[in-house]
Amino acid sequence: EVQLVQSGAEVKKPGESLKISCRGSGYSFTNYWIAWVRQMPGKGLEWMGIIYPGDSDTRYSPSFQGQVTISADKSISTAYLQWSSLKASDTAMYYCARADYDYVWGTFRPFDYWGQGTLVTVSS
Amino acid sequence: SYVLTQPPSVSVAPGQTARITCGGNNIRSKSVHWYQQKPGQAPVLVVYDDRDRPSGIPERFSGSNSGNTATLTISRVEAGDEADYYCQVWERSSDHSDVVFGGGAKLTVL
Repeated sequence: EVQLVQSGAEVKKPGESLKISCRGSGYSFTNYWIAWVRQMPGKGLEWMGIIYPGDSDTRYSPSFQGQVTISADKSISTAYLQWSSLKASDTAMYYCARADYDYVWGTFRPFDYWGQGTLVTVSS
Repeated sequence: SYVLTQPPSVSVAPGQTARITCGGNNIRSKSVHWYQQKPGQAPVLVVYDDRDRPSGIPERFSGSNSGNTATLTISRVEAGDEADYYCQVWERSSDHSDVVFGGGAKLTVL
């Protein structure tokens, strides 16, 4: 059974750093892309970026480039999303999601599995 | 950048058919995926590539894509279908791809 299991909820102060995780199981972790998606309270889904754990190829949404860092450790089938200095506006639920890539058509496939979400609260 | 427009809300009585639209410039040239998100839960893929259903998704869920509008159709709506629904495409440029989500449509079952 494919599963993406995310780390637990975090409460942080502005200016603090944070790294949350997403562990994949039940499939070959290095053969699929892992994306991060933000959902602010009461709002819609926003794509942050995506990483291919096989070679750590990483793409960022222009809206999040420079604001976060996405990484992966394929030896433990885990992807990460990190901040160096949190702001109150980073308060949100963060989801990881899996996507395949169609090398014939050169397109990404849909997000077929999602993690349960990690709630990040940033407050002084 | 590419924009997907959804109605904020759609209401339907139980047993009726709900149609949730997703507008985008020449969206028919893209593969549209649809996600259902119930309160307090992660999104779930319900339709991909305009009209295909993942395993386990009821046949009541179907999709279409033509011109500038993609549509998610839910037949014989049930109370359990009440959720937010998001459309999504991949916007491909010369050197990269970006994910685009619609703003989401809240389906209310009256």
